[in-house]
Amino acid sequence: KQEVTQIPAALSVPEGENLVLNCSFTDSAIYNLQWFRQDPGKGLTSLLLIQSSQREQTSGRLNASLDKSSGRSTLYIAASQPGDSATYLCAVFGGGNQFYFGTGTSLTVIP
Amino acid sequence: GAVVSQHPSWVICKSGTSVKIECRSLDFQATTMFWYRQFPKQSLMLMATSNEGSKATYEQGVEKDKFLINHASLTLSTLTVTSAHPEDSSFYICSANRGLDTGELFFGEGSRLTVL
Repeated sequence: KQEVTQIPAALSVPEGENLVLNCSFTDSAIYNLQWFRQDPGKGLTSLLLIQSSQREQTSGRLNASLDKSSGRSTLYIAASQPGDSATYLCAVFGGGNQFYFGTGTSLTVIP
Repeated sequence: GAVVSQHPSWVICKSGTSVKIECRSLDFQATTMFWYRQFPKQSLMLMATSNEGSKATYEQGVEKDKFLINHASLTLSTLTVTSAHPEDSSFYICSANRGLDTGELFFGEGSRLTVL
């Protein structure tokens, strides 16, 4: 069964710093990987989706990479801001309505 | 991005009553929707997969008679918590799969249920 791990579980950085969040998965047979953010008491907001054939996707200050063979994805956040504080989750799609979520990284950006 | 609307965003009810939560995909059709439960500071717990026009598929340990799911159209799934008890108090979130092959999820805003 697919297992998705996110390390670290929590991260605290000063404003302006660049940072990397990690997501690893055990089964490389995936169709895509999606990154989300969740603010307290809210649903999940989709940030980026990377197809299995792609290496990276960019949106504004966010850049997500995917190395399917090694079972890893990273979410790079440039010039972090206090508004980036949230929990970030990754999810892999294995086909057939099978989505597997990581446990998330709680990010705090200190002003 | 696509929009999924969940309603109500919060509800308080008395023990023994039933509560219905709606999940709508506003700008796309979703053959499949998902219902999750989330406890404080924990990750999502998948409760069931809702398929349009057929019975929902429940995860192990989830009581199908307590959590009734109906997916009557390609844009609407409902979760009814029947005979609610205080232990059912939680944050419930739905998501919709925009692409059967591409597997792209969009989430509702969540519903906070408090059972007194």
